[in-house]
Amino acid sequence: DSGVTQTPKHLITATGQRVTLRCSPRSGDLSVYWYQQSLDQGLQFLIQYYNGEERAKGNILERFSAQQFPDLHSELNLSSLELGDSALYFCASSVVAAGNLNEQFFGPGTRLTVL
Amino acid sequence: LAKTTQPISMDSYEGQEVNITCSHNNIATNDYITWYQQFPSQGPRFIIQGYKTKVTNEVASLFIPADRKSSTLSLPRVSLSDTAVYYCLVGLNGDTGRRALTFGSGTRLQVQP
Repeated sequence: DSGVTQTPKHLITATGQRVTLRCSPRSGDLSVYWYQQSLDQGLQFLIQYYNGEERAKGNILERFSAQQFPDLHSELNLSSLELGDSALYFCASSVVAAGNLNEQFFGPGTRLTVL
Repeated sequence: LAKTTQPISMDSYEGQEVNITCSHNNIATNDYITWYQQFPSQGPRFIIQGYKTKVTNEVASLFIPADRKSSTLSLPRVSLSDTAVYYCLVGLNGDTGRRALTFGSGTRLQVQP
């Protein structure tokens, strides 16, 4: 158990719909990352938040957005869903203290299926 | 970030030592080398990180030659539970706040009984 929790575990929805994925980081971790893993694309970084502010953006579509709340939990919003958005969505957290350690703690993921 | 190249897959038997080599010719001076392990339908898990020479922890060793253009993850006496995908990552994004990881295709290790 990494200490990172994600809900829901599974989500099935239809094209055109909007969903929200939730992530609670490890206690004390200020940084939250979202990754998407699909069969044909591998693990792709989407976005990073640090203490409530967006810090880095990766391959995140305009239909997707995220935020980190004062209690440090984060939500990833996916709208106008397409079949190709079906994937595993992982949240990770890290302390991001001074130094170079690249250790991120990943949650169990949310499996999204768009029908 | 430096591009990495690793074998797509490897096979081994229980009890053997497994060495997975990663090539990273464009590694920058301040880049670190990090390895993650991922089981099916689970999030990746940090294994080990190093900058040069050799690093060892309770699960693996990481060997980095002087030119740092490659690295080798060594798993001693693997078991069936080591069957997973192993990712080699290189780099550190800018300041201490930007640490997004760039995953390649990884190496799929299959351990046979």
